[in-house]
Amino acid sequence: AQSVTQLDSQVPVFEEAPVELRCNYSSSVSVYLFWYVQYPNQGLQLLLKYLSGSTLVKGINGFEAEFNKSQTSFHLRKPSVHISDTAEYFCAVTRPGYSSASKIIFGSGTRLSIRP
Amino acid sequence: DTGVSQDPRHKITKRGQNVTFRCDPISEHNRLYWYRQTLGQGPEFLTYFQNEAQLEKSRLLSDRFSAERPKGSFSTLEIQRTEQGDSAMYLCASSSGLAGGTSTDTQYFGPGTRLTVL
Repeated sequence: AQSVTQLDSQVPVFEEAPVELRCNYSSSVSVYLFWYVQYPNQGLQLLLKYLSGSTLVKGINGFEAEFNKSQTSFHLRKPSVHISDTAEYFCAVTRPGYSSASKIIFGSGTRLSIRP
Repeated sequence: DTGVSQDPRHKITKRGQNVTFRCDPISEHNRLYWYRQTLGQGPEFLTYFQNEAQLEKSRLLSDRFSAERPKGSFSTLEIQRTEQGDSAMYLCASSSGLAGGTSTDTQYFGPGTRLTVL
């Protein structure tokens, strides 16, 4: 079975500073990995996803993530954050070829707060 | 494309009452999903429709929960005899179903319905 651990429940960062949100997964087989963002009072929006190929994945709003198989990590990064990036970020994992929607496992989320 | 909409956005009810939530997916999306999200946690899968067929249900979906998608468009989620433990955000998502298996099919989420059971 797969699982996801988001190591930080909250990350405070100053505006224009870089940020890294950490995600580690557990799986005995290959995985697909996702990052979603949830702005206040809104649903989840897909930021980026890793399916195969290049381990560096670029997403929307200047975010990128790197898949590291040896460390079973998929950390999310942005070189310079903006106030508008204040939101909750969720890492998620599933297995390739799964036709089962129930096998998408979400982490518990990291709340990113940007200080001016 | 107006996105996924959910109604109501907030619902406060007393324990023991029945509640019903509605989800309108992106038009022409044939897959629809319901999730539950409690405070400080990520979404947990509840159930999934392909068109009008309910293909999968989580064990989280007790007998008090029922979901329908009668014409393969909008869906309703009903909770009977609500309990305080049902208090959560209920999220709906839809996907086009064009990317093969659900694991690669991008899900678009609605804003959610926040349920508070007193």
